[in-house]
Formats: sequence, C-alpha cells, structure tokens
Amino acid sequence: EAEVAQSPRYKITEKSQAVAFWCDPISGHATLYWYRQILGQGPELLVQFQDESVVDDSQLPKDRFSAERLKGVDSTLKIQPAELGDSAMYLCASSTDSQETQYFGPGTRLLVL
Amino acid sequence: AQSVTQLGSHVSVSEGALVLLRCNYSSSVPPYLFWYVQYPNQGLQLLLKYTSAATLVKGINGFEAEFKKSETSFHLTKPSAHMSDAAEYFCAVSAPNTGNQFYFGTGTSLTVIP
Repeated sequence: EAEVAQSPRYKITEKSQAVAFWCDPISGHATLYWYRQILGQGPELLVQFQDESVVDDSQLPKDRFSAERLKGVDSTLKIQPAELGDSAMYLCASSTDSQETQYFGPGTRLLVL
Repeated sequence: AQSVTQLGSHVSVSEGALVLLRCNYSSSVPPYLFWYVQYPNQGLQLLLKYTSAATLVKGINGFEAEFKKSETSFHLTKPSAHMSDAAEYFCAVSAPNTGNQFYFGTGTSLTVIP
C-alpha cells in the first residue's frame, strides 16, 4: 500500500538554527499539505500545494517558514531561524485533489532547545 | 467558516465496553466529515468519512459514525473496545466554500482499561 514518506522522523536543534523537513507524497497525488501539530492539539494547516503551486499559505509564518514543491512531487518545509515555540510534530499529507481524503505521513517531531 | 468541537479530551472505557467519542461540527454548507486515529509518534490514519451519501458510515477496525444534521453531530462508536483501540482520535470537517480545507478538533484520547 502506497504511503506518504517523511524525513527525518525526529529532529533536535538549537534556537536560531535552520531546519528542513522533507515529504514525498503518494504517487499521483496532486495536492500536498503541511500541518503543524502542537502536543495535545489537532493539526493546523500551514500550507497547501496543488501540483507545484501554493494554494493556501495564510497560516504560514512567512518571516521564518518557507515551503516549496518545485517539480510538483516531493516537498520541503524549512524553518530559519527556529524558535522554542516551533517545537511540534510536522505532518505532511497528500490527496488526489483538494476534495478527497487526505493521507498522512508519520510526521517529523521537532524539538527546539 | 467550519469548526469542530470534540467533547471530552480524555475518555476511558473498559475492554469490551461501548466506545462513544463525540464530535459536533459547525458549517454553513453541507460538510464532509472525517474521523482519524493517531497512535503515539505516528501520523493520522483515516477511520471513516461522510460525504453526503449514507448517514451511517462504517469504517475500519469496527468503528462507525452517524451523521445527524439536526444535531450537527458525527459521533464515533464501536460496540466493544479492544486494548489496541487506545489512541488519540480526531474529528475533522471540510466544505467546498472554504476550499475544502480540513479543520480538526482538539482530539480525544481513548484509554482502554483491561
């Protein structure tokens, strides 16, 4: 069964450092999402891609966060500089289009010290 | 805008007992509704979804949910809890008038007591 891949699974960094997360969606899925999940809360959408284009990044803190999906397949989410409050689980999801079920990857758990 | 409220952040049931996890939604248009399960340090796995077909939806692992428009509810049930059901459960809503963006509830942690 096809799955969404994410790496790394865990990341520890110091504040002010740069971090990057990678996501490979299920093959053929045009829509890709990045979510942030703070401990004890539900996921919150950071950015949504349709192929290589950003559809929604209204909740992305653009002063420090950036996301790209250059070839419309895999995607990278970057934080620079990381802050203590960025400690969370970062989840990637994909779907065939924006109206369909989202399939989630295992997530990257980030700890900023 | 859409929103989801999950009543009860923690629910405990005995093994073999009924599981009932509550979800109420707010939407100005007919919504799509989802239940996901999350095990520790893992991503979310879809349990079931409602997309305006049958109001009683059956999912994986013996779970089901009923869409009740009059009550704006989509509660998740399972007749008999197993130890393996212990996890975090999230209800989510999406609707076409907000670009089908998913809005998740804050989650309910299910504990199964042997």
